[in-house]
Amino acid sequence: AQSVTQLGSHVSVSEGALVLLRCNYSSSVPPYLFWYVQYPNQGLQLLLKYTSAATLVKGINGFEAEFKKSETSFHLTKPSAHMSDAAEYFCAVTARNRDDKIIFGKGTRLHILP
Amino acid sequence: DAGVIQSPRHEVTEMGQEVTLRCKPISGHDYLFWYRQTMMRGLELLIYFNNNVPIDDSGMPEDRFSAKMPNASFSTLKIQPSEPRDSAVYFCASSFRKNYNEQFFGPGTRLTVL
Repeated sequence: AQSVTQLGSHVSVSEGALVLLRCNYSSSVPPYLFWYVQYPNQGLQLLLKYTSAATLVKGINGFEAEFKKSETSFHLTKPSAHMSDAAEYFCAVTARNRDDKIIFGKGTRLHILP
Repeated sequence: DAGVIQSPRHEVTEMGQEVTLRCKPISGHDYLFWYRQTMMRGLELLIYFNNNVPIDDSGMPEDRFSAKMPNASFSTLKIQPSEPRDSAVYFCASSFRKNYNEQFFGPGTRLTVL
């Protein structure tokens, strides 16, 4: 079975500061990992995904995430926060090469301080 | 393509009434997912279809909930009778092959049951 844990339901950073959103996963088989973003009153949209190629994955809007098997982590980072990054971010996992559901974390709401 | 289309965007109804939520997936996608999002429980997968056939409905909370997909371009989620605890945002998503392929989410239907 797969699961994800997102550390911190709310994270606040100043505009221009580093964004770090933490995600740890649990999977009995090699995983695929995702980060989705949800802007207010919208559905989720994919930021980036890890599918067993490079461990450092680059996504849209300057975000990237690194798959670390030894730490079972897939943290999301962005070097410099922008006001438009304020949203809720979801980490998700599914089993690689299996017919399985995508399991979403509970989300982290990112607040950007002016 | 217009993306995943959901209707209505907002629904307010009284306890005991029947509610029908509608979804039009992206043309060519062969998987369709229904999710429910609440503050308490986060994002929950209710049911998903492959080529119009329900594959896994283990997330449907109880018999009051039913979902159909009569053709590749239309799906409904019905709640009968509705209860206040059904109040949530319901999302429809579609993808071309599930798992590691990106799920495209609709804007959601915000349901309020009084």
